[in-house]
Order: sequence, then structure tokens, then C-alpha cells
Amino acid sequence: AQKVTQAQTEISVVEKEDVTLDCVYETRDTTYYLFWYKQPPSGELVFLIRRNSFDEQNEISGRYSWNFQKSTSSFNFTITASQVVDSAVYFCALRGDTTSGTYKYIFGTGTRLKVLA
Amino acid sequence: DTGVSQNPRHKITKRGQNVTFRCDPISEHNRLYWYRQTLGQGPEFLTYFQNEAQLEKSRLLSDRFSAERPKGSFSTLEIQRTEQGDSAMYLCASTPYGSYEQYFGPGTRLTVT
Repeated sequence: AQKVTQAQTEISVVEKEDVTLDCVYETRDTTYYLFWYKQPPSGELVFLIRRNSFDEQNEISGRYSWNFQKSTSSFNFTITASQVVDSAVYFCALRGDTTSGTYKYIFGTGTRLKVLA
Repeated sequence: DTGVSQNPRHKITKRGQNVTFRCDPISEHNRLYWYRQTLGQGPEFLTYFQNEAQLEKSRLLSDRFSAERPKGSFSTLEIQRTEQGDSAMYLCASTPYGSYEQYFGPGTRLTVT
């Protein structure tokens, strides 16, 4: 069975602080894909990043960075110098290999980030 | 590129009534997903279409739910004999061929009274 766990329900930080959102996943597939999505107060989910299981390179995009570690089945997301506009719910998601017979994406329960001015 | 659109944005219905939602994916996106999202939860997979073929349906999905994508373009999700537990946000997402990123619509919020 596939599972995504986001243990942090809500995090509050003061603007300009760094914050890390944790994501732990479970899958038996050898090939799989991990994602982060942002859901701002307006409600529409926005794609942030995809990482393939065979690519463990960490990635940085502006103030955002992602740390993928297969050894601990984690795909954590760090926002550096947080801003009020980063306030949103962030979801981690997993999609396995379709050879296992499923096309579904499994989402975590999300982490609500509040950045205070 | 106008994005994924969903209609209606809000629907209030009485228990026992049937409702139908529509999703228009991004043009030429051949993959389409329906999800349900309740407060404090992540999107929950309902069903998946590749072109007009429904390739997967959640085992948790009641027989009251049905979805179609007749010409491989827009899709509809119908809920028959609605129950209060069906109250949720229904999300649609599309993905282009060869990609894995999902592009979500704004959702249809259903309230069953």
C-alpha cells in the first residue's frame, strides 16, 4: 500500500524565518514520483515540484529547496526567508509506477503554514 | 492556455437529489482525474481517465458516483441520491501526455442539506 505522511498539521513562523515541511512516504514500487503542491487561501492547488525516485539530487528554486532521501523515505521542503505570501497549505503527494496497476496519486493531509508579518 | 475550469463553483442541494459537475481540462491534456477534498484533508482520488477511457476508479467510491468523458475532452461527475456525507470540494485535474504534473481546477464545492 502507498501512503504519504505529513506529521506537521500547522506551523507558524515569523516572516524571514526559514521553515521545513516534512514528508514521509511508503511504497513498494521501485519507480515512483513525488510532488509538492501549494494550496493558497484562494483554494486552487498549484504544482511546485516533481522528483523521480531514480533522481536523488536535491533541488533549489529561488527561496524553495527540496531534500529527497530514499534511505529515510523522506521528501522535505524548505522555504528560506519566508514571506507572508507563502502562507498556504502544502501537500506532498506520491504516484507509483503504473506497472503496479494504479494511476492514482496519494496525497498527504497537508501542512498549514502561517507566516506572520 | 486557460487552465482547468470547473462548473458550477458552488452547489447546494437537498439530500436525495442528483447533482452533476463538469470539468474542462486544459486543451490537449489526455489525462483527467477527479478528487474529493474535505476540510483538513488532502485530495482523495476518485477516478482517472486517459482520453475517453476510465482506467481506474477508487474502490471506496460508492455506486452512486459515476463519471464520464465521452469524447476525451470535458468530463462530468454525477452523484445520485446525495447524502450529507457527500458534502466536500470536488476537484478536477488534468495532465498532458508524457508528464506527471497535475494541473488542478478551482473545484466545485458541494453542500448537501
